[in-house]
Amino acid sequence: DAGITQSPRHKVTETGTPVTLRCHQTENHRYMYWYRQDPGHGLRLIHYSYGVKDTDKGEVSDGYSVSRSKTEDFLLTLESATSSQTSVYFCAMSNRGKGSPLHFGNGTRLTVT
Amino acid sequence: AQTVTQSQPEMSVQEAETVTLSCTYDTSESDYYLFWYKQPPSRQMILVIRQEAYKQQNATENRFSVNFQKAAKSFSLKISDSQLGDAAMYFCAYVYTGANSKLTFGKGITLSVRP
Repeated sequence: DAGITQSPRHKVTETGTPVTLRCHQTENHRYMYWYRQDPGHGLRLIHYSYGVKDTDKGEVSDGYSVSRSKTEDFLLTLESATSSQTSVYFCAMSNRGKGSPLHFGNGTRLTVT
Repeated sequence: AQTVTQSQPEMSVQEAETVTLSCTYDTSESDYYLFWYKQPPSRQMILVIRQEAYKQQNATENRFSVNFQKAAKSFSLKISDSQLGDAAMYFCAYVYTGANSKLTFGKGITLSVRP
């Protein structure tokens, strides 16, 4: 989806280092989400935001934090990366709650060695 | 907690044939939405179809249609005239309209299309 981009596309990092993934949208959508995708688990919600500086935890939030200081940017931080956080991370956005489809970024493949 | 179950991890279909992907969900709610998303090898997540629970009519998008059975809590996706480009992982997802509900995904099913 051209209106939402993630960076970086790929990243390899070492255990114990901090990592920040960036999500940027140009659609002025209110809601933004971070998911992780792992084989056999589908997509699981890490954190989400329903407005600037308004964020909340998802089902797998331990070890992650987020920030949203502007409507267009939603950052996901791994404070101290662990091998269990090796995954593909997706950012998504929607312009209304609930029934609105999510529009996804292209994902970031993170490898923690 | 709401759960979404996709019991078939893999399926295969001959090009031009029809295939049905199964999805069941567990909920005590009556007002909710269901989705099917497609993830091709490019990794991009693409919305295929959306169903509103209070609408009895099954959603249709070109070659894609659903069989929504609310009482049975079943939401299957039918792909007609399968094409090579339909090869992908497909995810079923559910969200109810309550304040604290977030979109919940199934584990996905990998569909291969034989030429």
